[in-house]
Amino acid sequence: AQTVTQSQPEMSVQEAETVTLSCTYDTSENNYYLFWYKQPPSRQMILVIRQEAYKQQNATENRFSVNFQKAAKSFSLKISDSQLGDTAMYFCAFMKLGGSEKLVFGKGTKLTVNP
Amino acid sequence: DAGITQSPRYKITETGRQVTLMCHQTWSHSYMFWYRQDLGHGLRLIYYSAAADITDKGEVPDGYVVSRSKTENFPLTLESATRSQTSVYFCASRGVWENTEAFFGQGTRLTVV
Repeated sequence: AQTVTQSQPEMSVQEAETVTLSCTYDTSENNYYLFWYKQPPSRQMILVIRQEAYKQQNATENRFSVNFQKAAKSFSLKISDSQLGDTAMYFCAFMKLGGSEKLVFGKGTKLTVNP
Repeated sequence: DAGITQSPRYKITETGRQVTLMCHQTWSHSYMFWYRQDLGHGLRLIYYSAAADITDKGEVPDGYVVSRSKTENFPLTLESATRSQTSVYFCASRGVWENTEAFFGQGTRLTVV
């Protein structure tokens, strides 16, 4: 079974600064996706960024980028130019390709952006 | 309205009662999922479905029942609610292609007293 570990329960950052959220995972699979989801106080789950394991290039979406280290099974999220609206819970998730396509989540990191 | 909707948004029920949480999606997505979110545990999979009439257990299925007679609906039933089932429940759906994202409902906050 796959497991996802987020070792930072809470983090804080000053507005306009950069912050990195950590995620490690354990799997014997070779084909999979990794995701970061954002959950603001509204409770809505919002996809931030995804990474295909077969791609060596790190995914980027505007101010959000990942550092994907497949051999180390590490998938960190970097948020640049942090904004107050980035305050949220962030969940790292793993999805094996083929089969049920279900997401396995980490326990989350609560990020607070301070003015 | 297009999308995935859960009902009710909030529910208070008594221990031992049966309660059903509804989930409806308008995309005809094949995959549907039920997760529960608890502080310190993240989201844990309760049940999932790959298509109508195909369901399977997730990580924490005990005390829950699902059905999927139609592609668009995936209700979750707590047969005899317990206080440990107090949680926020999320339904999600996903298409068959490997690069499609999973879409989540707004969540249902269930309190068992």
